[in-house]
Amino acid sequence: DQQVKQNSPSLSVQEGRISILNCDYTNSMFDYFLWYKKYPAEGPTFLISISSIKDKNEDGRFTVFLNKSAKHLSLHIVPSQPGDSAVYFCAANRYGQNFVFGPGTRLSVLP
Amino acid sequence: DTGVSQDPRHKITKRGQNVTFRCDPISEHNRLYWYRQTLGQGPEFLTYFQNEAQLEKSRLLSDRFSAERPKGSFSTLEIQRTEQGDSAMYLCASSKKLAGGHNEQFFGPGTRLTVL
Repeated sequence: DQQVKQNSPSLSVQEGRISILNCDYTNSMFDYFLWYKKYPAEGPTFLISISSIKDKNEDGRFTVFLNKSAKHLSLHIVPSQPGDSAVYFCAANRYGQNFVFGPGTRLSVLP
Repeated sequence: DTGVSQDPRHKITKRGQNVTFRCDPISEHNRLYWYRQTLGQGPEFLTYFQNEAQLEKSRLLSDRFSAERPKGSFSTLEIQRTEQGDSAMYLCASSKKLAGGHNEQFFGPGTRLTVL
């Protein structure tokens, strides 16, 4: 029973274009969402987060959108750069409880 | 660099042996987490500590697994009588307890365990 789903195992995007990574969740009690990026042989690195009281949070080239009614969030990277090639994990939690991670989406940004 | 460190980075062992991993969190972080990650999956929560107290354990943490954080600083994760199914990446993370309740976790590089 996966509470956090990332249905696209992989995504390829041309350098300079927009990358859109999607995440769906089933637990309506989740109220905080995060995106992590992971390079091979390294631990996940925090990218951006959003609270359920917001529907958008922006940090430089990264924007996270939250649609609570659809239980869906997305990460937009624009413009995409080759250094963005990594595995991206969506994570969610409810206040006071632990994070639940999705299975990840491998992003390849092609030069 | 004062990030989260883990030792060893790789461990190969034979089935039935015991292994122990160490995690050193970011020094001012009072929360420490252990996760397990297998191929094609995201990190799965195992257990966490606030200071030296172990506050939660996942049902994934069988009785062959034990974690300690004796002085509220570094932590160890021991797996006894390893099985091939224990082969995975074991990740440690740390965080501060924030007033708002939510917190970002900072991960170490992980220990990759291979059980032959």
